[in-house]
Amino acid sequence: DSGVTQTPKHLITATGQRVTLRCSPRSGDLSVYWYQQSLDQGLQFLIHYYNGEERAKGNILERFSAQQFPDLHSELNLSSLELGDSALYFCASSIAGTFEQYFGPGTRLTVT
Amino acid sequence: ELKVEQNPLFLSMQEGKNYTIYCNYSTTSDRLYWYRQDPGKSLESLFVLLSNGAVKQEGRLMASLDTKARLSTLHITAAVHDLSATYFCAVGSQETSGSRLTFGEGTQLTVNP
Repeated sequence: DSGVTQTPKHLITATGQRVTLRCSPRSGDLSVYWYQQSLDQGLQFLIHYYNGEERAKGNILERFSAQQFPDLHSELNLSSLELGDSALYFCASSIAGTFEQYFGPGTRLTVT
Repeated sequence: ELKVEQNPLFLSMQEGKNYTIYCNYSTTSDRLYWYRQDPGKSLESLFVLLSNGAVKQEGRLMASLDTKARLSTLHITAAVHDLSATYFCAVGSQETSGSRLTFGEGTQLTVNP
C-alpha cells in the first residue's frame, strides 16, 4: 500500500458524460501527478500539481481538467467522454518534484 | 521530446535462468526509475537511480544506470515464477517549475516452471 488513495476504483459511464476522479496523496506529499494508462498509448503523463498550483502539463486533452485543493487532495475532471478515454487513471504523489513518485491503486474508467 | 525505449517488450523465461531488460532514453537525465505492475494493479516502485554508475539490488533484481550511454538495465538472477509481471522504466524530467515521468512501453515478463 503506497499511502495514495483514489476513488472510485471503477467507473462505467456513457459517451458524452462527465466524471470526476479523486486522489488523496500520501501524508506530507505536496506534489500530485495524474497519469493515463491505455493499451494503445501506454502510460502517459497528464498533469502535475504542487501545493495547489499547476506546475507541468503533458498531453492532456482540453476536455480534461484538474485541480489540487488546500487539503492537497486532487480531482481530475473528464468531460464529453469518448470511447477512447477508457483507461486506467493513476494518481501519484511525491514530497517534491524531484523525488520518487508513489502511485495510487488507479481508477478504471470504461466509457460505453 | 524525450523518448524511452525498453527491450525486449515480451520476455518468457524459465525458472532459474538469468536475463536483462534494457531501457534506453533519448535526452540527458540522471533520474531513472523502475516500477513493477501486476495485471490490473498499480505500479510498485522497485528502484530509484539518481546518478551515473548507480547500482541497486533487491533480491533477484539488480538495476544500474549509465547516464553517458543513456541506458539503464534491470538484471534478473535465477528467475522465479513470482517475478512474472510487467516492468516499466521511467525517466524523470525536471521542467521550469514542475516535473514528470516518461515511461517506456513496459516489458511483460513471464517466468515458466
